[in-house]
Amino acid sequence: AQSVTQPDIHITVSEGASLELRCNYSYGATPYLFWYVQSPGQGLQLLLKYFSGDTLVQGIKGFEAEFKRSQSSFNLRKPSVHWSDAAEYFCAVNGGYQKVTFGTGTKLQVIP
Amino acid sequence: EPEVTQTPSHQVTQMGQEVILRCVPISNHLYFYWYRQILGQKVEFLVSFYNNEISEKSEIFDDQFSVERPDGSNFTLKIRSTKLEDSAMYFCASSGRGQGANEQYFGPGTRLTVT
Repeated sequence: AQSVTQPDIHITVSEGASLELRCNYSYGATPYLFWYVQSPGQGLQLLLKYFSGDTLVQGIKGFEAEFKRSQSSFNLRKPSVHWSDAAEYFCAVNGGYQKVTFGTGTKLQVIP
Repeated sequence: EPEVTQTPSHQVTQMGQEVILRCVPISNHLYFYWYRQILGQKVEFLVSFYNNEISEKSEIFDDQFSVERPDGSNFTLKIRSTKLEDSAMYFCASSGRGQGANEQYFGPGTRLTVT
């Protein structure tokens, strides 16, 4: 069965600092991986996705993520965080097109 | 860019009432899904639907839930007799064919409040 672990429930960073959100997945083959962002009371916005090919993927809003098969990880990064990045971030895996499994999310707080 | 739409954006209902949540998937998509997110928790898979039948469902999707594609454009989730614990955000999603089947496009959600 596929699963996703986001070990950090809550992260606080200063505006302008770099950010890395961790995600580990469990799946037997190469999965399809996603990062979503959700502002309070809002829907899910896709930041980026990995299907195959280059293991470093670029997304919207200056985010990127790196797929590391050896570590079963798909960590999200941003070199310089803006106050508007404060939200909850969900890593997700799709091992086949039946369902997407989401992690428990990481809430990002940005301080001035 | 095509998008998944959901109506209503917010539904308030009394316990024991039936509710129908509506979704219009992207027009050429073949696979349809419902997910829910209880406040403060992660998004959970409910059901997937393909070729006019359920292809997979989670243990959450019990006999109180049903899905239907009544025409060529709508995809609905019905909860027969709502309970307080059904209060959640419900997301509809759809995906296309081939490798596109692996990327699900999510709607903005319907917030269901059961009182």
